Amino acid sequence: NAGVTQTPKFQVLKTGQSMTLQCAQDMNHEYMSWYRQDPGMGLRLIHYSVGAGITDQGEVPNGYNVSRSTTEDFPLRLLSAAPSQTSVYFCASRQHLRINYGYTFGSGTRLTVV
Amino acid sequence: TQLLEQSPQFLSIQEGENLTVYCNSSSVFSSLQWYRQEPGEGPVLLVTVVTGGEVKKLKRLTFQFGDARKDSSLHITAAQPGDTGLYLCAGGGTQGGSEKLVFGKGTKLTVNP
Repeated sequence: NAGVTQTPKFQVLKTGQSMTLQCAQDMNHEYMSWYRQDPGMGLRLIHYSVGAGITDQGEVPNGYNVSRSTTEDFPLRLLSAAPSQTSVYFCASRQHLRINYGYTFGSGTRLTVV
Repeated sequence: TQLLEQSPQFLSIQEGENLTVYCNSSSVFSSLQWYRQEPGEGPVLLVTVVTGGEVKKLKRLTFQFGDARKDSSLHITAAQPGDTGLYLCAGGGTQGGSEKLVFGKGTKLTVNP
C-alpha cells in the first residue's frame, strides 16, 4: 500500500548511543518532515526537506541530523541519545510544497532513552 | 510565533451525544487542517479549509473556518465509539519566509457505548 513507512516501530537506547530512524514514502512527495510528539506538547517539527539535497531546521532540531539523498527516503539520526529525546517520532510527507495540501503521516517510532 | 489553542483538552461523552471542539489563535492562517489520531498510529487528515467562513461536512463531522481565519471548529453529530481518538488542528502560515504548519496540542475524545 502507498504511504509513509517508518522503522523501527519501537526502540530502546542507552544514553549516549546513536541510531537512525528510517522513513520512506512511495508517493513521489516533494516535502518530507520529522515531528516528535510528547504529552502536553503536541507535535513539534524537528527537520524538514523540500526536495532531494535540501534540508532545513524546524522548531526543535538540536541533537538530530537529517539528509535527503533521494526523493523517497528521509532518515533521522540521533547523534548521542539523551533521556530528553524519549518521545514518539513521526515522519510526514505531502505532495506539494504548499501547506494547503495535507500531510500523510507514518505510524510512528516510539523511542525510549534510558 | 503562531500558536493554536485547542479546547477542550479532554472530552468524554456517551454515544449519540453531539460535541464541538474548538481551535483558536490570535494569528491569521492561510489554511486550517484537522486530523484524527488513534492510539499507536499517526494522524490522519480529515479536512483542509482555506477560505474564511468555509464550512465542510464529512458525514457526521462539520468543520468551519472562522471568517477572520483565526479559528476553527469541529462539530460531531450523534457521536459513535468509532469517533474516539485525538483530534488535532493545524494552521498553515508563513514564518521566516517559508510556509510552516503549526499544530494544536489536541483534544482527546472518548465516546462511551
